[in-house]
Amino acid sequence: ETGVTQSPTHLIKTRGQQVTLRCSSQSGHNTVSWYQQALGQGPQFIFQYYREEENGRGNFPPRFSGLQFPNYSSELNVNALELDDSALYLCASSSYRGQETQYFGPGTRLLVL
Amino acid sequence: AQKITQTQPGMFVQEKEAVTLDCTYDTSDQSYGLFWYKQPSSGEMIFLIYQGSYDEQNATEGRYSLNFQKARKSANLVISASQLGDSAMYFCAMREGVGYSTLTFGKGTMLLVSP
Repeated sequence: ETGVTQSPTHLIKTRGQQVTLRCSSQSGHNTVSWYQQALGQGPQFIFQYYREEENGRGNFPPRFSGLQFPNYSSELNVNALELDDSALYLCASSSYRGQETQYFGPGTRLLVL
Repeated sequence: AQKITQTQPGMFVQEKEAVTLDCTYDTSDQSYGLFWYKQPSSGEMIFLIYQGSYDEQNATEGRYSLNFQKARKSANLVISASQLGDSAMYFCAMREGVGYSTLTFGKGTMLLVSP
């Protein structure tokens, strides 16, 4: 058990809708990274939050946005959902901007119809 | 060019045997880290082992060891005495970056352990 939790576990949305995914980081960690894992692929980096600010971003469009709260939990928001957004979304908790080992939550499976 | 290459889509091994999962990487950084994660069908990524680029000794964690060959840019995972519960996807990942660090993953290797 990593102590990293994510909610919800599963979600079904329709194209064009908006979705919010949540992540609670491990105690003592101040950095949360989000990854998207399409079926049959390795996870791809979306963005990272460190002390409530976006600290780095992968090759994802602006309709992917996030927040980090004072308790270091985080949200991933996706607007104008597309079919290709169907994936497993993983958050990873770590200390100091990801310089230490990243520990993952159980993920949220999103299906866009 | 892929930064992490895992050439084995699937591997089969019998219980109690050892197995090696291959990983090669590509980076121009001097400082980087290499990780192996296990992903069961439930989806959670479970951290197994870490090797830093400056570590001279190969990392070991229980039944897991990392065969690090820096000149060849390879970081193979060795699982000794396989167990049925080892059946899962295994991902090799590299940490790079200054200012912030993210993980770049390979495509994974599916390991099936048979009785």
